[in-house]
Amino acid sequence: DQQVKQNSPSLSVQEGRISILNCDYTNSMFDYFLWYKKYPAEGPTFLISISSIKDKNEDGRFTVFLNKSAKHLSLHIVPSQPGDSAVYFCAARIWASGTYKYIFGTGTRLKVLA
Amino acid sequence: EAGVTQFPSHSVIEKGQTVTLRCDPISGHDNLYWYRRVMGKEIKFLLHFVKESKQDESGMPNNRFLAERTGGTYSTLKVQPAELEDSGVYFCASSQWVLLFNYGYTFGSGTRLTVV
Repeated sequence: DQQVKQNSPSLSVQEGRISILNCDYTNSMFDYFLWYKKYPAEGPTFLISISSIKDKNEDGRFTVFLNKSAKHLSLHIVPSQPGDSAVYFCAARIWASGTYKYIFGTGTRLKVLA
Repeated sequence: EAGVTQFPSHSVIEKGQTVTLRCDPISGHDNLYWYRRVMGKEIKFLLHFVKESKQDESGMPNNRFLAERTGGTYSTLKVQPAELEDSGVYFCASSQWVLLFNYGYTFGSGTRLTVV
């Protein structure tokens, strides 16, 4: 019963174009959503987050959109750069067992072609 | 500041053997988390320490896994005896407050465990 789903295991985009990574979730109790970026042999690093009461958050080339009614969020990267090539994980925060924890998706591997 | 440190970075062991993974969180971070990623799947929560106490261990797969955090500093995760399905990358993460700023955690680079 995966609560956070990233249905595209991989995505290839030309340098300079827009990258759109998608994430769907099932639990309406999630209150924050985050995107993490992971390079090979490194741990995931925080990229951008959005509260469940917002529908958009922007940070430089990265924008996250949240559609609560559809239980869907997406990460837009504009323009895409070769250094953006990495695995991107969507994560959702929930209060459970007396603490907050994150539920992660399976990741989407982004390849930006020069 | 030094980041979250994990070692070993890789470990290959035979089924039935014991392996101990270690995590040194960022100094001053009371919260320490263990996660695991099996090949191609999600990063899955294992447990959460607040200082030396286990706050939530609902993600621990079974009693072959034992986590400790001595004195609220570093943590170890022992797998005994290891099974083939325990293979994966084990990540440790730490945070100072319980996700106060919603920046998530700081992750270590992980330990890749292969059980053969």
